[in-house]
Amino acid sequence: DQQVKQNSPSLSVQEGRISILNCDYTNSMFDYFLWYKKYPAEGPTFLISISSIKDKNEDGRFTVFLNKSAKHLSLHIVPSQPGDSAVYFCAASYRDDKIIFGKGTRLHILP
Amino acid sequence: KAGVTQTPRYLIKTRGQQVTLSCSPISGHRSVSWYQQTPGQGLQFLFEYFSETQRNKGNFPGRFSGRQFSNSRSEMNVSTLELGDSALYLCASSLRFGPGLAGVQEQYFGPGTRLTVT
Repeated sequence: DQQVKQNSPSLSVQEGRISILNCDYTNSMFDYFLWYKKYPAEGPTFLISISSIKDKNEDGRFTVFLNKSAKHLSLHIVPSQPGDSAVYFCAASYRDDKIIFGKGTRLHILP
Repeated sequence: KAGVTQTPRYLIKTRGQQVTLSCSPISGHRSVSWYQQTPGQGLQFLFEYFSETQRNKGNFPGRFSGRQFSNSRSEMNVSTLELGDSALYLCASSLRFGPGLAGVQEQYFGPGTRLTVT
């Protein structure tokens, strides 16, 4: 039973445009959501997070939106840069329980 | 500050063998989590240790086990290896385990151990 779903395995975006990565979850008890970025041959690195009490969190070019009623979150990257090409993982957790990751979306930034 | 280190980086084993992977967390971090990454399944949680105690466990068979030492270093063992165990095994350390924002945010991943079972 996949509790965190990233339905797009890959996404291609022109450099300078907006990249939107989507994530859906099924467990309404999740209260904390995170995005990780992973380059080949490296471990994932934390990007941005959002608590369930908020609906938006911004950090520079990265913004995460949370729609609790739809059990959906998205990561917006504006403007997209070549270094943003990586695999992005959405993750969720409830209190001190384990963190559940999605399968990841590979983002390609096109020149 | 040194990051999370994992040894070995690459490993080739045959079916039926057993393997032990090692993870050294960031100095001062007491929580260590292990994940399995495969192309089809993404990152799947194996287990989490805090102060030498297993706090959380994922849905993996008993062939997968782990432990944590008093210096917070952790090992993961897989016995009777199967072809499907081929994956990237990632270790992540955290200053403290959940709950709360800070505990979850401060999870730092190592580069992983690439295990190939033939």
